[in-house]
Amino acid sequence: QVQLQESGPGLVKPSQTLSLTCTVSGGSISSGSYYWSWIRQPAGKGLEWIGRIYTSGSTNYNPSLKSRVTISVDTSKNQFSLKLSSVTAADTAVYYCAKTIVGATFFDYWGQGTLVTVSS
Amino acid sequence: QSALTQPPSASGSPGQSVTISCTGTSSDVGGYNYVSWYQQHPGKAPKLMIYEVSKRPSGVPDRFSGSKSGNTASLTVSGLQAEDEADYYCSSYAGSNNFDMVFGGGTKLTVL
Repeated sequence: QVQLQESGPGLVKPSQTLSLTCTVSGGSISSGSYYWSWIRQPAGKGLEWIGRIYTSGSTNYNPSLKSRVTISVDTSKNQFSLKLSSVTAADTAVYYCAKTIVGATFFDYWGQGTLVTVSS
Repeated sequence: QSALTQPPSASGSPGQSVTISCTGTSSDVGGYNYVSWYQQHPGKAPKLMIYEVSKRPSGVPDRFSGSKSGNTASLTVSGLQAEDEADYYCSSYAGSNNFDMVFGGGTKLTVL
């Protein structure tokens, strides 16, 4: 069974770049059967899909965040990463990584999430 | 503001049925049979409960069911149990030219 675990700084200063990594265990990130997504949830609010990446490096991003988001994959480490630039307090949220089967439109496995606070 | 509209709260007594709605547009909910529902207990990651409008993943009780009519999808929980108390989120595919996913704002289900 695939497991996902987010990691990265819990505090980021305004205008800086938020960087998170998701480590995949129990399966190969380069199996070719899955897309790997980032999703966030501000405290007390709903979920927001940020974007996704395929093992080939092909990406799709939420149009509202596209100008600030970069998702990359490191198959040698079985990890994929998120970079969100020019952050503000509005980017404070719990960030989740999640898995989608190719051809599907739902997230069947999620990491536990990591809280990132944007504050000086 | 979330792309899909859900009621902020819903409630029912043990054994009763509760239905949670999720309203979108013809560009998301109404345009595709790709609505999914997630259950989230406090401090936990979301768990997939329903996908493609009405399909249940292995291990999800058949007390949970999904449906859709026009631009509105619904999640029904029958035979309410205490452990069903959680937040529920709907999601829909919203891509036309590019892949995009949208979520609802969530509904807090209280078992009275």
